[in-house]
Amino acid sequence: AQSVTQPDIHITVSEGASLELRCNYSYGATPYLFWYVQSPGQGLQLLLKYFSGDTLVQGIKGFEAEFKRSQSSFNLRKPSVHWSDAAEYFCVALRSNDYKLSFGAGTTVTVRA
Amino acid sequence: KAGVTQTPRYLIKTRGQQVTLSCSPISGHRSVSWYQQTPGQGLQFLFEYFSETQRNKGNFPGRFSGRQFSNSRSEMNVSTLELGDSALYLCASSLDVYEQFFGPGTRLTVL
Repeated sequence: AQSVTQPDIHITVSEGASLELRCNYSYGATPYLFWYVQSPGQGLQLLLKYFSGDTLVQGIKGFEAEFKRSQSSFNLRKPSVHWSDAAEYFCVALRSNDYKLSFGAGTTVTVRA
Repeated sequence: KAGVTQTPRYLIKTRGQQVTLSCSPISGHRSVSWYQQTPGQGLQFLFEYFSETQRNKGNFPGRFSGRQFSNSRSEMNVSTLELGDSALYLCASSLDVYEQFFGPGTRLTVL
């Protein structure tokens, strides 16, 4: 079955430290991939997307993600987190057969001072 | 350019009632999708409308329905509400299928 897996439910990181959120997908072909962020009680905001081409993708708020076909992964990174990065992050795939979005379960990031 | 707007932002209903949620997409966007977000099930796709036609549908009972108007605004209706329908309902609009822009959501509480 086509799916998106985020292995980490919750991550705590110190302000100023680096952050990496993991995402694996299970699809026959490479899907279109996205990372969204959701602050409490809010909608989802697109951080970045990968369709094809350069496997290192730059996004907003200093985030980047690397697509690795061999590992079926699309991990999100940020070199130095800010307290405002505390939120829930979703890895999302657009299925090419029916163009439906498939969401990972989300990773909640807590930033400690 | 204004973003996706959803009304109302918060709603409290009782079991058995029905509810209608509204979504106004970004100007020029013709596709509107609806999602249900709950702590237990996460984000689940409800349906997608494009140019007033339902183009995609998720695995939800017939109590969940929607429509889209000629100005691309969309409504979602849930009839005979159940406690399990309590959720954040998100609407997203897109110009094409590749990138969706989400609204802030409507928080529905069923008592």
